[in-house]
Amino acid sequence: QSVLTQPPSVSGAPGQRVAISCTGSSSNIGAGYDVHWYQQLPGTAPKLLIYGNINRPSGVPARFSGSKSGTSASLAITGLQAEDEADYYCQSYDSSLSYVFGTGTKVTVL
Amino acid sequence: EVQLVESGGGLVQPGGSLKLSCAASGFIFSSYDMHWVRQPTGKGLEWVSAIGTAGDTYYLGSVKGRFTISRENAKKSWYLQMNSLRAGDTAVYYCARASLVNPFALDIWGQGTMVIVSS
Repeated sequence: QSVLTQPPSVSGAPGQRVAISCTGSSSNIGAGYDVHWYQQLPGTAPKLLIYGNINRPSGVPARFSGSKSGTSASLAITGLQAEDEADYYCQSYDSSLSYVFGTGTKVTVL
Repeated sequence: EVQLVESGGGLVQPGGSLKLSCAASGFIFSSYDMHWVRQPTGKGLEWVSAIGTAGDTYYLGSVKGRFTISRENAKKSWYLQMNSLRAGDTAVYYCARASLVNPFALDIWGQGTMVIVSS
């Protein structure tokens, strides 16, 4: 069972900004553990999008950005593009359950 | 090219066993922690197990005692031995590499192998 909560879906028109929240607790995000984000395009394996709360791996477009505050984190996509339509997952470490993923958010480009 | 390739998935009856393999290429395998993550069809990701470079192992509570993770550095491979399988273990199983920059992040993933537990 996921201990990190995300909205099931978000949507936006091309060029708009969307944000995905990831809410945890004092045993994971609030305990200071980093949050990482993954993008999963339909029928493919997840891909690391953001690591260490705010860092983008080489090759990830700058329109993806991450932030963290307290027991929550957020992924923002500015200048939404059609190819951004995918499922997005946050991930952290929990002191009781080890590695944990978020419930996942489907991003739809209108 | 950095790559992970899983194999060994298939259909197995409840109570049965299956061994998954993950072959790595394009990087120094022995330097990395390695993980298994699963995803039931149409559902979210669930971390299953990890093995460190020193052979230390970690498991999701519901698989502890049933699954065993191992690695063979000479073959650049690691494995997930799954025993006493249940219907709830049905999922696509991904192997993933932990990042050296931030070891709690998984920076390279395999394509996944399907495990179906059904009579």
